[in-house]
Amino acid sequence: NAGVMQNPRHLVRRRGQEARLRCSPMKGHSHVYWYRQLPEEGLKFMVYLQKENIIDESGMPKERFSAEFPKEGPSILRIQQVVRGDSAAYFCASSPGRTNTEAFFGQGTRLTVV
Amino acid sequence: AQTVTQSQPEMSVQEAETVTLSCTYDTSESDYYLFWYKQPPSRQMILVIRQEAYKQQNATENRFSVNFQKAAKSFSLKISDSQLGDAAMYFCAYRSANNLGGGADGLTFGKGTHLIIQP
Repeated sequence: NAGVMQNPRHLVRRRGQEARLRCSPMKGHSHVYWYRQLPEEGLKFMVYLQKENIIDESGMPKERFSAEFPKEGPSILRIQQVVRGDSAAYFCASSPGRTNTEAFFGQGTRLTVV
Repeated sequence: AQTVTQSQPEMSVQEAETVTLSCTYDTSESDYYLFWYKQPPSRQMILVIRQEAYKQQNATENRFSVNFQKAAKSFSLKISDSQLGDAAMYFCAYRSANNLGGGADGLTFGKGTHLIIQP
């Protein structure tokens, strides 16, 4: 049973480009959470999605960031017109249901904006 | 909003010794969950131990145990018989038991404690 898969592991983008980060949840999991980790910081909640629904996006920046979790395929975190401050590690976690308190994390995508 | 504070940026312990990592949190809720996660250099976030706030008994997982003091809002992690493989960043995290949005579904993390194991 494969764990949460994130790709790419490392992503380099120039300022102004778009970054697309992918997350495939564990088999049987329909709930996905995205977190951002800045250097020397803990993870910060960004958004919580179920299949085809955004449940809670209270941690998402208002501009340039969007997330989706389509019926088929992985969850995507999209950052448009990246800036240096977007450089961070982005983690995805999945769980089988909203009331399940244990979420399983992927290995993260390290985004570097140059 | 809930906050989680880890006051020890770095801790060092001799192999085979015992070390305690501190965590305090602030919340107005009575029902919630607390976690300790380990993040080795690979960056993978690994769940170490979990505590439900309604349980008075402290959680234990092999060499890892917690001291949960609900009134003091304290949740420390004790690692016994430290091993070289325990070297990592350790994060304390809080999750509300109420699924009310506003970030309540997600985990609130502390800034972490870097644990060094001396051979």
